[in-house]
Amino acid sequence: AQSVTQLDSQVPVFEEAPVELRCNYSSSVSVYLFWYVQYPNQGLQLLLKYLSGSTLVKGINGFEAEFNKSQTSFHLRKPSVHISDTAEYFCAVSGGTGFQKLVFGTGTRLLVSP
Amino acid sequence: DAMVIQNPRYQVTQFGKPVTLSCSQTLNHNVMYWYQQKSSQAPKLLFHYYDKDFNNEADTPDNFQSRRPNTSFCFLDIRSPGLGDAAMYLCATSTEPGQVDYSNQPQHFGDGTRLSIL
Repeated sequence: AQSVTQLDSQVPVFEEAPVELRCNYSSSVSVYLFWYVQYPNQGLQLLLKYLSGSTLVKGINGFEAEFNKSQTSFHLRKPSVHISDTAEYFCAVSGGTGFQKLVFGTGTRLLVSP
Repeated sequence: DAMVIQNPRYQVTQFGKPVTLSCSQTLNHNVMYWYQQKSSQAPKLLFHYYDKDFNNEADTPDNFQSRRPNTSFCFLDIRSPGLGDAAMYLCATSTEPGQVDYSNQPQHFGDGTRLSIL
């Protein structure tokens, strides 16, 4: 079975500071990894995904993530955050043969203050 | 813009009174999903359709049913809502590029319907 751990439930940061949101996964098969963002009272929006190839993945809104197979991690980073980045961020994993549902982490709330 | 639309955005129903939530898509995706998201929790998959094939999650209560009359529309029916069913319900879609494994396709979410039970 696959699982995702997001150790930080909440990350406060000042505007224009860098941020890293941590994600670790567990899987016995090849994985596909995703980061989704959820703004208040909205659905989830894909930030970026790792399927294969280059381990550094660039997404929308200036976010990037690095797939590290040896550490089973897929941390999300942004060099300079904005107030508008305040949201809930979910890491998710799927993979294997046939249909494998997305397994989400419990989410990290990013709070950006002036 | 092509998108996933959920109606209504907010739904209030009475304890035990059947309720239907709707989802429509203009993406022409053949896979549609229904998730339940309770406050401060991750989305939990209830079921999904691959074209007309219905795939239920093992832990989805029988109280939850779904219909997909055509590619564009999908409905979530809650037969007898209990207080524990109050949540945000998210519809999502994805495409399947002609391969058996469609788990690598990103999902496109609607803005959800927030269901309250009185």
